Amino acid sequence: AQTVTQSQPEMSVQEAETVTLSCTYDTSENNYYLFWYKQPPSRQMILVIRQEAYKQQNATENRFSVNFQKAAKSFSLKISDSQLGDTAMYFCAFTFRTGANNLFFGTGTRLTVIP
Amino acid sequence: DTAVSQTPKYLVTQMGNDKSIKCEQNLGHDTMYWYKQDSKKFLKIMFSYNNKELIINETVPNRFSPKSPDKAHLNLHINSLELGDSAVYFCASSRGLGSYEQYFGPGTRLTVT
Repeated sequence: AQTVTQSQPEMSVQEAETVTLSCTYDTSENNYYLFWYKQPPSRQMILVIRQEAYKQQNATENRFSVNFQKAAKSFSLKISDSQLGDTAMYFCAFTFRTGANNLFFGTGTRLTVIP
Repeated sequence: DTAVSQTPKYLVTQMGNDKSIKCEQNLGHDTMYWYKQDSKKFLKIMFSYNNKELIINETVPNRFSPKSPDKAHLNLHINSLELGDSAVYFCASSRGLGSYEQYFGPGTRLTVT
């Protein structure tokens, strides 16, 4: 069975500081993609960053970067220079490179950026 | 230009009623999905269609029936609504099987009273 675990239900960070959200997953497959999605109060699901499991280099998107440890099945998200607009639920997810490609989601981390 | 749209955005109805949620994508994608987000914010796949063909049908009650009249539409019909069906339902689409990036609609908040 495929599982995604986010062990931090809630986190807070001061504006302009850095915060790291943790995620671990479990799968016996070898070819997959990993994602972080953001869900602000508007409810819209927004893709923040993605990582191909076959790439060793960690993905970065502006202030967002990941620490991907394939052997440990760990995929954490680092947000640098936190902004008020980063306040949201953050979901870790993965999908397989082949097959139906549905996303398996974690339970989410509610992040609050404090002014 | 909305990529993935859902109607309605909010739906309040009574137990026992039948309701539908519509989803349309204008991205030319072949694959569409329905996800359910429960009250604890957990998101789980319900159905997936590729080229109008059912690919995934998770352990969802038979009261839920997806219908894909064409590749751009995937509607969700729910019969005999129950209190436990209250949730946010998200439609999503991707270019096709093997394409990893999914685009989500704005969600439909269903409240069953």
